[in-house]
Amino acid sequence: QSALTQPASVSGSPGQSITISCPGSSSDVGSSNLVSWYQQHPGKAPKLIIYEVTKRPPGVSNRFSGSKSGSTASLTISGLQAEDEADYYCCAYAGTRTYVFGTGTKVTVL
Amino acid sequence: QVQLVESGGGLVKPGGSLRLSCAASGLTFSDYYMSWIRQAPGKGLEWISYISGSSDRIYYADSVKGRFTISRDNAENSLYLQMNSLSAEDTAVYYCALADFWSGYHDAFNIWGQGTMVTVSS
Repeated sequence: QSALTQPASVSGSPGQSITISCPGSSSDVGSSNLVSWYQQHPGKAPKLIIYEVTKRPPGVSNRFSGSKSGSTASLTISGLQAEDEADYYCCAYAGTRTYVFGTGTKVTVL
Repeated sequence: QVQLVESGGGLVKPGGSLRLSCAASGLTFSDYYMSWIRQAPGKGLEWISYISGSSDRIYYADSVKGRFTISRDNAENSLYLQMNSLSAEDTAVYYCALADFWSGYHDAFNIWGQGTMVTVSS
């Protein structure tokens, strides 16, 4: 299973909105609503910020939102803040308890 | 609260073996399926293995199939990853993680350990 190809980097100014795409196939992103997103700061473990395409765990800012159209999932960060500068990874269930991650996107706050 | 703590990483020569452990606390360990996920230096996350709560279902990514073995000891609240025939491409931080489906996190890894570094080099 090949990694899902995310844009290597996305940047925005404070207060702006940015969107990270996660294009997959009918075998992964398009096969179910089991798409999740993770935020990772340098030297830290990943943190779940979106699951089942659109749901947010308790404590995650509502500035983070997820969506999916066909076989492409997206993460939108609205009202960009300095603390949002991190790497972001999508992950899709690929069937039979296997999972495929995206290549990761580095978000820079200008 | 639920906590996962990995150990066992280190420096190993190409072709060598290493066994990683993940100690879980704050949960009924046998109720949860577990996964190992790794991250090579400067690279992205890669899911590599899954084990069900009772160990009756085990799956691997193609990149480690036949070389790595996942196992667990529910009495010891521990997860393991036996890694054989290691190569430089296996150099990575190895995380254990779980999806707390009882809380609604279906196939989403909401609990992660801090990771343990494995370096394969001569």
